[in-house]
Amino acid sequence: DVKVTQSSRYLVKRTGEKVFLECVQDMDHENMFWYRQDPGLGLRLIYFSYDVKMKEKGDIPEGYSVSREKKERFSLILESASTNQTSMYLCASSLIGSYYEQYFGPGTRLTVT
Amino acid sequence: GQQVMQIPQYQHVQEGEDFTTYCNSSTTLSNIQWYKQRPGGHPVFLIQLVKSGEVKKQKRLTFQFGEAKKNSSLHITATQTTDVGTYFCAGAPAGNNRKLIWGLGTSLAVNP
Repeated sequence: DVKVTQSSRYLVKRTGEKVFLECVQDMDHENMFWYRQDPGLGLRLIYFSYDVKMKEKGDIPEGYSVSREKKERFSLILESASTNQTSMYLCASSLIGSYYEQYFGPGTRLTVT
Repeated sequence: GQQVMQIPQYQHVQEGEDFTTYCNSSTTLSNIQWYKQRPGGHPVFLIQLVKSGEVKKQKRLTFQFGEAKKNSSLHITATQTTDVGTYFCAGAPAGNNRKLIWGLGTSLAVNP
């Protein structure tokens, strides 16, 4: 079974702090994704990576950056957290040939105060 | 912009009743995926539909992809309490590689 793990289940940060969310997958998947999930807005893609050091902007990249130094690890960085970034953050991964069959981690509920 | 509408938003059924959720896309899709998210959980991939008019079954779940590849449905026969959760469709617009448009989901509650 694919396992996608995220560094924290719950996180509380202050406005202006730099926040790192970590995601690790153990199935050698090439693709990794960061989404945020908000009530009434559904899942929105923040960033996508298809290989080490490669990234593509998703639908809502503003205020976020990502890092992928190793194949199994994909980090989401909030350079200066703001209250409107309070959300559930979901990491996912998939095989290069099965882009749409995505395996999700348990999520990190981030609260920015 | 491109969007996928999913209806209904909520559905409350008695255990044993059938349930159907529908997805309608504003654009032709190359494929559509269905995911299930249990309360407090994360989305779990259920199935992918690729061909026009395709029908796939997983036990009590029946998935259909419309002939025009702009709509899809998920039907659950004789719901059980284990079916509780939110069902999402996610469509890939034709000709737009690696783009996925998510529906807002249908939340299913089942009374035992």
